[in-house]
Amino acid sequence: AQSVTQPDIHITVSEGASLELRCNYSYGATPYLFWYVQSPGQGLQLLLKYFSGDTLVQGIKGFEAEFKRSQSSFNLRKPSVHWSDAAEYFCAVAGGNFGNEKLTFGTGTRLTIIP
Amino acid sequence: EPEVTQTPSHQVTQMGQEVILRCVPISNHLYFYWYRQILGQKVEFLVSFYNNEISEKSEIFDDQFSVERPDGSNFTLKIRSTKLEDSAMYFCASRQGFTEAFFGQGTRLTVV
Repeated sequence: AQSVTQPDIHITVSEGASLELRCNYSYGATPYLFWYVQSPGQGLQLLLKYFSGDTLVQGIKGFEAEFKRSQSSFNLRKPSVHWSDAAEYFCAVAGGNFGNEKLTFGTGTRLTIIP
Repeated sequence: EPEVTQTPSHQVTQMGQEVILRCVPISNHLYFYWYRQILGQKVEFLVSFYNNEISEKSEIFDDQFSVERPDGSNFTLKIRSTKLEDSAMYFCASRQGFTEAFFGQGTRLTVV
């Protein structure tokens, strides 16, 4: 069965500092990988996705993620965080044709930004 | 930009009552999903729906749950007899055949 591990429950970063959120997945075939962001009381917004091709993917709000098959990882990065980036971040994996199977989410990483 | 719309945004119901959560997926999408998130926990898959039938369901989706696409635009989740542990945020999602899933803003269900 597929699974996603986000080892960091809570991360605190200073505004302007760089950020890396870790994600490891387990999936037997070609994974389709996603990062979603959830602001308090809000829905899930897609930041970026990896379907195939270039293993470094760019997303919205200046985020990027790198797919490393050998490490079963899909870490999210941002060179300089803004106070508005404070939110909960979820990594997810799906299978099937173009990821049409269910999404399996990690437990999330809560990001706090300090001035 | 097209979006998935969920109503109501918040519903309070008494234990044992039936509730229907409503979703309007993006119009040309083919796959429909319900997920839930208990407060402070991760998002969990409930059910997927394609070609007018359930394609997959989780252990959570027992006989108390049902889904329907009654008119080609709405996609509903019914909980027949709510329990306290059904209190959660319920997310509807839809996707085209080859794109990512788009999520609605969620319905917060509170069972008292």
